[in-house]
Amino acid sequence: DAGVTQSPTHLIKTRGQQVTLRCSPKSGHDTVSWYQQALGQGPQFIFQYYEEEERQRGNFPDRFSGHQFPNYSSELNVNALLLGDSALYLCASRFRTGANEKLFFGSGTQLSVL
Amino acid sequence: QQQVKQSPQSLIVQKGGISIINCAYENTAFDYFPWYQQFPGKGPALLIAIRPDVSEKKEGRFTISFNKSAKQFSLHIMDSQPGDSATYFCAASIGGSEKLVFGKGTKLTVNP
Repeated sequence: DAGVTQSPTHLIKTRGQQVTLRCSPKSGHDTVSWYQQALGQGPQFIFQYYEEEERQRGNFPDRFSGHQFPNYSSELNVNALLLGDSALYLCASRFRTGANEKLFFGSGTQLSVL
Repeated sequence: QQQVKQSPQSLIVQKGGISIINCAYENTAFDYFPWYQQFPGKGPALLIAIRPDVSEKKEGRFTISFNKSAKQFSLHIMDSQPGDSATYFCAASIGGSEKLVFGKGTKLTVNP
């Protein structure tokens, strides 16, 4: 059973460019969340997608946008890249059964903006 | 405003010792408190989680202690092993939402 898969694993961009990161959730999971983890910091919530709609959003500018496809996979798009966007971008999918739930994270995409 | 404060930033313990990491939160609406373990090059993995209706939860060598009145919770790792060396994050959310607020992390080193 494949876990949460993210691509690419590493990416280098220059300021002002646009980037698209991809995520396939764990089999049977239908919600996808994206987090940004700066070096030496805890992950910060960007947004969550369920049923192809953005359901919750963190404190990130509109340059950060996303999409969820009918097969539950998701993309994170960042426009007009800034140096400060350099970080590890994590995707997570949720498994919920009754009162129990668990969030599974992928290994992330390391984005470097030069 | 940091809603979840984690300490210490780094921790070194000897094999077999007890590792203790503390977190404090501000938002009383939080009702789900998980701990995550992250190894270099990997995403965080859920270790153990607690809800405020209990004061302690134990799973193997890992125990969460929760103090609702003090708005604090802690992770205890008993019989710490070198394989436990990783970065640990506490987090909190409302209603079990995926909108987790993470602490800044504690880098644990267990010496053999």
